[in-house]
Amino acid sequence: EAQVTQNPRYLITVTGKKLTVTCSQNMNHEYMSWYRQDPGLGLRQIYYSMNVEVTDKGDVPEGYKVSRKEKRNFPLILESPSPNQTSLYFCASSLIPQPIGNGELFFGEGSRLTVL
Amino acid sequence: KNEVEQSPQNLTAQEGEFITINCSYSVGISALHWLQQHPGGGIVSLFMLSSGKKKHGRLIATINIQEKHSSLHITASHPRDSAVYICAVGGSQGNLIFGKGTKLSVKP
Repeated sequence: EAQVTQNPRYLITVTGKKLTVTCSQNMNHEYMSWYRQDPGLGLRQIYYSMNVEVTDKGDVPEGYKVSRKEKRNFPLILESPSPNQTSLYFCASSLIPQPIGNGELFFGEGSRLTVL
Repeated sequence: KNEVEQSPQNLTAQEGEFITINCSYSVGISALHWLQQHPGGGIVSLFMLSSGKKKHGRLIATINIQEKHSSLHITASHPRDSAVYICAVGGSQGNLIFGKGTKLSVKP
């Protein structure tokens, strides 16, 4: 089944404790991206990747790191989480880098992160 | 001013009604997406448009590049259409900017 898988789905952690949210897709997609969703602010892009070893900052990259060492995986790293990173996080992928061509976006189920 | 504006923010309709959700943007784009988010939180892509009009079942999406405006129409609305509908515009570099969403509630 074609899917984007995020883990963990739910996490409560404490300030400063490094964590990684994994994202994996099984569709051989070139484009992958991370978003956070907050009440009143909607979805905002954190980082995106047009292909392996190519990553770019979105609108809110501060406090986050990413890597794209292989096509299927795009982990989101919070080196020193802070309470303002409490949010709902989504990973998405697309066959063709946006916006060229028929780049339908496929989203993971979301990861709800709470930083105390 | 937000770069992507959706209207209305909230919409309540009776089952069977024709629904229109609007999206206006102020930046240059290469494509526009309509997304659906159900109360459980999952997000599904409905359409990606770069010009003209697309139709899928009871859903129709249009875009006017010159006017920087897109509309999502739902014909013969049903309670299962209740969700948040999100417009997102894509730049040429791979970045995406989202509207804040329109919360639709369809009453039986």
